[in-house]
This record gives sequence, C-alpha cells and structure tokens, in this order.
Amino acid sequence: GAVVSQHPSRVICKSGTSVKIECRSLDFQATTMFWYRQFPKQSLMLMATSNEGSKATYEQGVEKDKFLINHASLTLSTLTVTSAHPEDSSFYICSAWEQENSPLHFGNGTRLTVT
Amino acid sequence: ILNVEQSPQSLHVQEGDSTNFTCSFPSSNFYALHWYRWETAKSPEALFVMTLNGDEKKKGRISATLNTKEGYSYLYIKGSQPEDSATYLCASLNAGGTSYGKLTFGQGTILTVHP
Repeated sequence: GAVVSQHPSRVICKSGTSVKIECRSLDFQATTMFWYRQFPKQSLMLMATSNEGSKATYEQGVEKDKFLINHASLTLSTLTVTSAHPEDSSFYICSAWEQENSPLHFGNGTRLTVT
Repeated sequence: ILNVEQSPQSLHVQEGDSTNFTCSFPSSNFYALHWYRWETAKSPEALFVMTLNGDEKKKGRISATLNTKEGYSYLYIKGSQPEDSATYLCASLNAGGTSYGKLTFGQGTILTVHP
C-alpha cells in the first residue's frame, strides 16, 4: 500500500533555532500534502495544505512566516519551524492522498521539543 | 469552522465484548466521512471513507454506518480483541465555504481492550 515517510520522528532543539521536517510519499505522487499539529488530548488541527509547485494554503491563525512549507516535488513536502520557541513544542504530522477524497496516508509524526 | 465530535473520549472493554462509538459532524455541505485507526507509535491507518446517506461499510470485525441527514456515524467492533486497542479518529470532508477540500478531525475515541 501507499506509504508516507516522515523524518525526523523526534527532535529536540534550542529556542531560536530552526527545524525542518520532511514528508515523503514513497510509492505514489502527491500533488497535495497536509500538515497537522496535535496538542495533548486534542484533535489533529490542520495547519496548512501544501500544493506541489505553488504556495501553501495556511489555516487561519497559523503564521506562514513561522511555519514555512515547501512542496518542491510530487513526492516531498517540508515544514520548517523557524526561530522555534517552547510554545512550538508539539506533535506535527503530515499526510497525503493519492487522489482527492481517497483515504489519507499519514507519516509517523514528529515530536518537537524546544528547550 | 466545522465541529466534529466523537464520543466517548475513552472506552475500556473486555476481550470478546462488542462495542461502538459515535462521530457527529455538521450535515451541511457534507461530502465524505473518514474513519482512521491510530495505534501507539504508528501512523493513522484508514478504515473507511463513506459518502452516501445510509452507507454501511465492513472490514473484518469492524463496521461503520453513516447518516448524513442528521450528521452522525457509528463505528462498531464485534468481539473486541486486545489488538483493537487504538485511538479511532473520524474526520469530515465538506464541499463548501472555507472548509472546502479539508478534513476536519474529531478528538478521537481511545479504545482499550483488556485480555
């Protein structure tokens, strides 16, 4: 079946540094990928929709200058958390679908801790 | 902003018990309802994508029903096994307004099946 690979699975960084998270579709092309954030005991919150070859669409309240998304190819989207602060500590997970409204394929997620 | 609610938040059952939980979603501009199973340390796995009112889908011991007019879906597990222990997520996909093309997730139901 279709696989989405997300790296790293866990990262600890110092406040003020930037962290890049990669999301790859391994055996299918994904023109659209989604980035979610999950706070403890809450649902997956959509941060942005990443579109290959064009700018990402950010959800209301998500700072696009802080969470940079690049979807440079049909198999790779990256999320860069710039100038990270402790409040950015969270669980980030990406997903993609092979075609619109097919089931989403998820990465394993990234646990970010900013000290 | 869509509001997708799942109940109960958590559930403990004994091996062999049958169980069910609920996902409620706004019925306006409804397009599809997704169910996912999320086991600890793994990525969410798609169970069902449902679109039609009255739809009923089955995968082994797991089945789901959909009522788009009143905005709810039930997930049933027959003869629960310890390996069914996971968080079950539902997500609504709507076809209108600012929610177009975006899956909105509920908080999930955490199922624990005791041997």
